[in-house]
Amino acid sequence: EPEVTQTPSHQVTQMGQEVILRCVPISNHLYFYWYRQILGQKVEFLVSFYNNEISEKSEIFDDQFSVERPDGSNFTLKIRSTKLEDSAMYFCASQAAGATDTQYFGPGTRLTVL
Amino acid sequence: AQSVTQLGSHVSVSEGALVLLRCNYSSSVPPYLFWYVQYPNQGLQLLLKYTSAATLVKGINGFEAEFKKSETSFHLTKPSAHMSDAAEYFCAVGGIQGAQKLVFGQGTRLTINP
Repeated sequence: EPEVTQTPSHQVTQMGQEVILRCVPISNHLYFYWYRQILGQKVEFLVSFYNNEISEKSEIFDDQFSVERPDGSNFTLKIRSTKLEDSAMYFCASQAAGATDTQYFGPGTRLTVL
Repeated sequence: AQSVTQLGSHVSVSEGALVLLRCNYSSSVPPYLFWYVQYPNQGLQLLLKYTSAATLVKGINGFEAEFKKSETSFHLTKPSAHMSDAAEYFCAVGGIQGAQKLVFGQGTRLTINP
């Protein structure tokens, strides 16, 4: 069964450094998402991406964050200058087409900012 | 705006007993509703979803949920708990058009006692 994959599974970085989290969505899916889950808290929406542009972003997704689909298969989340509060589990999700279709989640990348 | 409240951050039941995980939602538009399960160190897996068809929705692993508009609820049930059901369960609400931002509840950790 097709699945969403994410790399790395765990990333440790120093505050102020740039990180890129990578996701390979399910082939032929059209909608892509990033969510994050701070330890002990709820899963929060960050951004949705469709037709090579951002569809919606949350207030969390400020100028330090960016997303890209550079080669038609990978979907990346970049954090330009990490802060301690960016430490969280980041989940990528992809969805085939319409809103009735399931969002399939990857296993997540745990980001630790020191 | 949409929101989800899950009553009970921890639920403990005996093996073979009824599982009931509560979810109430708030939405200014007709919602789509979802239950996801997260096993330790894994991503989110869809259990079931309500997308305005039948109000009683059956999902994987013997789970089902009933959409009750008058009560703004979407509680998850399973007649007989199994040890393998131990996990974190998340209720989520989403829109019905286009890119579908999911808004998650806080999650309920289900423990199964032998």
